[in-house]
Amino acid sequence: NAGVTQTPKFQVLKTGQSMTLQCAQDMNHEYMSWYRQDPGMGLRLIHYSVGAGITDQGEVPNGYNVSRSTTEDFPLRLLSAAPSQTSVYFCASSSGTGYSNQPQHFGDGTRLSIL
Amino acid sequence: EDQVTQSPEALRLQEGESSSLNCSYTVSGLRGLFWYRQDPGKGPEFLFTLYSAGEEKEKERLKATLTKKESFLHITAPKPEDSATYLCAVQAGYSSASKIIFGSGTRLSIRP
Repeated sequence: NAGVTQTPKFQVLKTGQSMTLQCAQDMNHEYMSWYRQDPGMGLRLIHYSVGAGITDQGEVPNGYNVSRSTTEDFPLRLLSAAPSQTSVYFCASSSGTGYSNQPQHFGDGTRLSIL
Repeated sequence: EDQVTQSPEALRLQEGESSSLNCSYTVSGLRGLFWYRQDPGKGPEFLFTLYSAGEEKEKERLKATLTKKESFLHITAPKPEDSATYLCAVQAGYSSASKIIFGSGTRLSIRP
């Protein structure tokens, strides 16, 4: 079982560049989310989606865009990279919705450095 | 303001030395509390969900408990392979946009 797959695993960008972090899941989960993890700050929610065509902002959405055209895929776009976006990014999926309290399955992360 | 606080930040134990990790929370409308394990370079891996005060869950050397204000992850006779960061997360709120708030984790190191 692949679960949640994130690509790339590592990326270095220059300030001002744009890129897309890919996330795919093969569990037919409706709920998907993006987090960033910074030292001492825990996981912070960037954007989430409760199904295809539906997305919403999390705690730290500025500088990021998402779309959900299929159940399987939930890409995260950095519009104009800034050094403050250097972080580890995790994608997660869950069989629940915003109402349902089901655990999330996480990918292994994308380590992003902005120079 | 909704908050989840984990303590201690780091814990070093000798193999076989039992201890507990704490997750205290201040949220409106608790819908569930989750414990995850995270190994270096990996994503969090689900361990337990607790839904109401008084509930307990066990898995091998781990036991999670929940009160109205906090949760404990008890580790009995730990082994070096239990070394990891343990994350607590709380789902709160009653709307379709219920929030999931993570604590910053406890780094557990077990010495052989």
